[in-house]
Amino acid sequence: QKEVEQNSGPLSVPEGAIASLNCTYSDRGSQSFFWYRQYSGKSPELIMSIYSNGDKEDGRFTAQLNKASQYVSLLIRDSQPSDSATYLCAVSPYSGGGADGLTFGKGTHLIIQP
Amino acid sequence: EAGVTQFPSHSVIEKGQTVTLRCDPISGHDNLYWYRRVMGKEIKFLLHFVKESKQDESGMPNNRFLAERTGGTYSTLKVQPAELEDSGVYFCASSQEGGDSRSSYNEQFFGPGTRLTVL
Repeated sequence: QKEVEQNSGPLSVPEGAIASLNCTYSDRGSQSFFWYRQYSGKSPELIMSIYSNGDKEDGRFTAQLNKASQYVSLLIRDSQPSDSATYLCAVSPYSGGGADGLTFGKGTHLIIQP
Repeated sequence: EAGVTQFPSHSVIEKGQTVTLRCDPISGHDNLYWYRRVMGKEIKFLLHFVKESKQDESGMPNNRFLAERTGGTYSTLKVQPAELEDSGVYFCASSQEGGDSRSSYNEQFFGPGTRLTVL
């Protein structure tokens, strides 16, 4: 059974600080990793994808991947109240043969305090 | 560019009835996925189409669920007969075939979902 684990939170972070969200996964064959943001009652919105070990930066967001430790994280710099949402970690076993369904964690509820 | 659209946004039916959900993927996306989120649980994969072919239907819960994608465009997910445990939010997602590059492969874009309530 492939699993993706996230701390459900809520994670409370003051405005302007760095929010750090973590995710671990059980399938060592996983190859592609995604972070989605979901506002209450809305659809998941893709914000970051990462495929190689190390860091990937996009604006205020940085995704970090460590395949040896089976660990993915998302850092949000200069947190804004609009960043308050549930962040979903998703993992796929993509191996070059075709696109795959994603395995999701339950999500971390992030609250940015003004 | 229009995103993934789903219809209806909400559906309330009684146990034993039939419901059909529809998904229109982003234009040009060959990959189409169905997912479901039951209250309190994580989003779960149901199945994956590549154009009109079912690539992977390992997540379909049972034979009361039937998905189709005739012509490789929109898809429907029929639940017949519906049971109480089928209640949840059904999401559809789509992605490009192969993606533009390795860096964007399998990026899936989600629709707004259909909230199904079975009474």
